[in-house]
Amino acid sequence: NAGVTQTPKFQVLKTGQSMTLQCAQDMNHEYMSWYRQDPGMGLRLIHYSVGAGITDQGEVPNGYNVSRSTTEDFPLRLLSAAPSQTSVYFCASSPTGPNQPQHFGDGTRLSIL
Amino acid sequence: SQELEQSPQSLIVQEGKNLTINCTSSKTLYGLYWYKQKYGEGLIFLMMLQKGGEEKSHEKITAKLDEKKQQSSLHITASQPSHAGIYLCGADDQAGTALIFGKGTTLSVSS
Repeated sequence: NAGVTQTPKFQVLKTGQSMTLQCAQDMNHEYMSWYRQDPGMGLRLIHYSVGAGITDQGEVPNGYNVSRSTTEDFPLRLLSAAPSQTSVYFCASSPTGPNQPQHFGDGTRLSIL
Repeated sequence: SQELEQSPQSLIVQEGKNLTINCTSSKTLYGLYWYKQKYGEGLIFLMMLQKGGEEKSHEKITAKLDEKKQQSSLHITASQPSHAGIYLCGADDQAGTALIFGKGTTLSVSS
């Protein structure tokens, strides 16, 4: 039972570099989302998707892109990394929407130098 | 916009003691979720409350939603080291498209 798998677990980038954080779930969930967790700020929603081909912005979408070409995968792209994007990133999924218990991945710890 | 306020921010209790964590919303709650997070790991779902006055228990953890649906509490009875971690409350946002979270309560249990 893999659940929600995030890769990589740790990453260090230089300012201006781009990268993709991977998120995959094997539960056939329609709803997937990305959060970032910062000290004193709690969890903030970046982007979410209610199904393949459908994505929308959350509270803090600037500097991030997402796509949802399959039900299983929901990658998060940093276009040009900035130190303010240093954070822990969590991907979550649920069967049909946010008003259900969310399954979270173990997170990606990202540092931007 | 809706905000969730958790109190206390952190808590240190002796093993065997009871404790309560509170979550207060600026607006009516239509779905309230409690999660636990261990350091370096993702969030684990604990309980969901939807009705005013609702109460749910799992092992030694009890969660309640008040009648007015603006405050929830999480109560741990006879705390153990395994209860240590960060407890977060989450709620459906007004649009029903995402969850918003409180900033979390860090619980330490000393043996």
